[in-house]
Amino acid sequence: EDQVTQSPEALRLQEGESSSLNCSYTVSGLRGLFWYRQDPGKGPEFLFTLYSAGEEKEKERLKATLTKKESFLHITAPKPEDSATYLCAVRLSGAGSYQLTFGKGTKLSVIP
Amino acid sequence: DTAVSQTPKYLVTQMGNDKSIKCEQNLGHDTMYWYKQDSKKFLKIMFSYNNKELIINETVPNRFSPKSPDKAHLNLHINSLELGDSAVYFCASSQGGGLQETQYFGPGTRLLVL
Repeated sequence: EDQVTQSPEALRLQEGESSSLNCSYTVSGLRGLFWYRQDPGKGPEFLFTLYSAGEEKEKERLKATLTKKESFLHITAPKPEDSATYLCAVRLSGAGSYQLTFGKGTKLSVIP
Repeated sequence: DTAVSQTPKYLVTQMGNDKSIKCEQNLGHDTMYWYKQDSKKFLKIMFSYNNKELIINETVPNRFSPKSPDKAHLNLHINSLELGDSAVYFCASSQGGGLQETQYFGPGTRLLVL
């Protein structure tokens, strides 16, 4: 069965302490891996899409990378405003191409 | 300018009632979705419509019935509400199923069934 697993479930960082979030997937026919940010009480906000192994995308303090089995979201020198739940999702080829399969998310807390 | 909007934002109701949630997108997208996020924050697809046609219908009780009057709207009607229906329901939209597709989410409707 296709599966998306995110780790850790929760992460507390001091402001400025860099770290990485992991998203591993066991799916066949990957057509895209998506990273979203979700703030409490709000809908997921799109961050990045990665399509092929070796691809990297950057936005401010965030950098997403993709291998054949996992993706990392690297956070460099985080600030308190980076606190949120980060969701990873995959889109498959074929009949499943219209839907996203989400992981359970990593809740990031950045302490001043 | 809200890209994907949902109404109501909060919905508190009694078990057994029938309720509807509305979604509208002004992005010009042709595909819309309903997701359910449970108490553990797990986000799961329920339905998807492309050009007003149902293309995804996951294992969801038939008490849930989506309706798409046009490409910009996708409503969700729920009959005979149960306690387990309490969750946050998110609407999303995208432009087709091509490689460049990105799904944009609404703010969510928080449903509490008492």
